[in-house]
Amino acid sequence: EADIYQTPRYLVIGTGKKITLECSQTMGHDKMYWYQQDPGMELHLIHYSYGVNSTEKGDLSSESTVSRIRTEHFPLTLESARPSHTSQYLCASTLLGNTIYFGEGSWLTVV
Amino acid sequence: GENVEQHPSTLSVQEGDSAVIKCTYSDSASNYFPWYKQELGKRPQLIIDIRSNVGEKKDQRIAVTLNKTAKHFSLHITETQPEDSAVYFCAVTYNFNKFYFGSGTKLNVKP
Repeated sequence: EADIYQTPRYLVIGTGKKITLECSQTMGHDKMYWYQQDPGMELHLIHYSYGVNSTEKGDLSSESTVSRIRTEHFPLTLESARPSHTSQYLCASTLLGNTIYFGEGSWLTVV
Repeated sequence: GENVEQHPSTLSVQEGDSAVIKCTYSDSASNYFPWYKQELGKRPQLIIDIRSNVGEKKDQRIAVTLNKTAKHFSLHITETQPEDSAVYFCAVTYNFNKFYFGSGTKLNVKP
């Protein structure tokens, strides 16, 4: 089924650890995004990509990095997690003429 | 960049009443305006959208109206039900590149 898949869905890690949140979409979309969202609050764009080898920082400053080596894959990496990174991370994608679709989210807790 | 303002931040209505949420935007070139519903613990999902060449669109109990001159658009929910309780986000984009989201409205429908 065409969808956006995120793993892990829930993760608890210690401060200073490196973590990669995976995002894959099978919808044939060229544009992909990462949003950070505290429960029920604003959606903050932290990274986006318009295609392979194209990545840009979003409007909210983030200590994470992203890569886009394959069209369907857009992983987000935190080199050294801190408690302030505790949040939900939503991956999303779109194609010209289509609305933006979201994955189910990855809930990250840094202790 | 685009600036999207959404009001009210919280809205409480009695079951059966109508609810209206309004968003204003700043970039007159914006041409696509979706609305998303996010239930607790779930991903935002598209409920209705409108393009800049249309003034109103309706889908059963929900409708969206767009005033391009005044640069605002509104979500209308009639005959509200408890299952309409959620956080609603408006969004704005020019040509389906970056999507700018409002800050969200928490709707509570009291039985």
